[in-house]
Amino acid sequence: KNEVEQSPQNLTAQEGEFITINCSYSVGISALHWLQQHPGGGIVSLFMLSSGKKKHGRLIATINIQEKHSSLHITASHPRDSAVYICAVSEYLRGSNYKLTFGKGTLLTVNP
Amino acid sequence: NAGVTQTPKFRILKIGQSMTLQCAQDMNHNYMYWYRQDPGMGLKLIYYSVGAGITDKGEVPNGYNVSRSTTEDFPLRLELAAPSQTSVYFCASSYSDRALNGYTFGSGTRLTVV
Repeated sequence: KNEVEQSPQNLTAQEGEFITINCSYSVGISALHWLQQHPGGGIVSLFMLSSGKKKHGRLIATINIQEKHSSLHITASHPRDSAVYICAVSEYLRGSNYKLTFGKGTLLTVNP
Repeated sequence: NAGVTQTPKFRILKIGQSMTLQCAQDMNHNYMYWYRQDPGMGLKLIYYSVGAGITDKGEVPNGYNVSRSTTEDFPLRLELAAPSQTSVYFCASSYSDRALNGYTFGSGTRLTVV
């Protein structure tokens, strides 16, 4: 069973700061997902990574397969970035089916 | 707008009552999932479906049932509601099993069993 650990659990930043959220997992995976959940509950997929690095706007996600670790960075953070950020890893369920194992999330609050 | 539509958004049930949480997607995704999210915990998979007519259990299926008669719809049935089923439920879909284009989530159903 894959264990997905996120750190920190809670993070408070001032507007403009550079943010890093970390995710580590225990068993080899086929892909890692970063998700964003806003107050009110909606969940949005941000990235899917199987290697290297991806960038979308001010968000950057990296993964190190050998170290079983991923980071999500937010540059020039803004109050609208305040949300819960969730890491999820994709692994074989059975046959050719995959399942996601989710971390507990990191609550980010960006103050103006 | 294309996406995953969940209804209802909120519901209060009495112990022993039954209800169906509806989920529909219009993206022609084969893969659909039901998750529950409990406070301080990661999402847990209840059931999933890889296509119409095919469903399978996830990590926490007890107390739930699903059906998938069409590609678009994937309802979740609670037959005898229990307080342990108080949670937020999310339906999601993906184009492929590896979700190479990511997952699309519904907006969630907040269920309270009293």
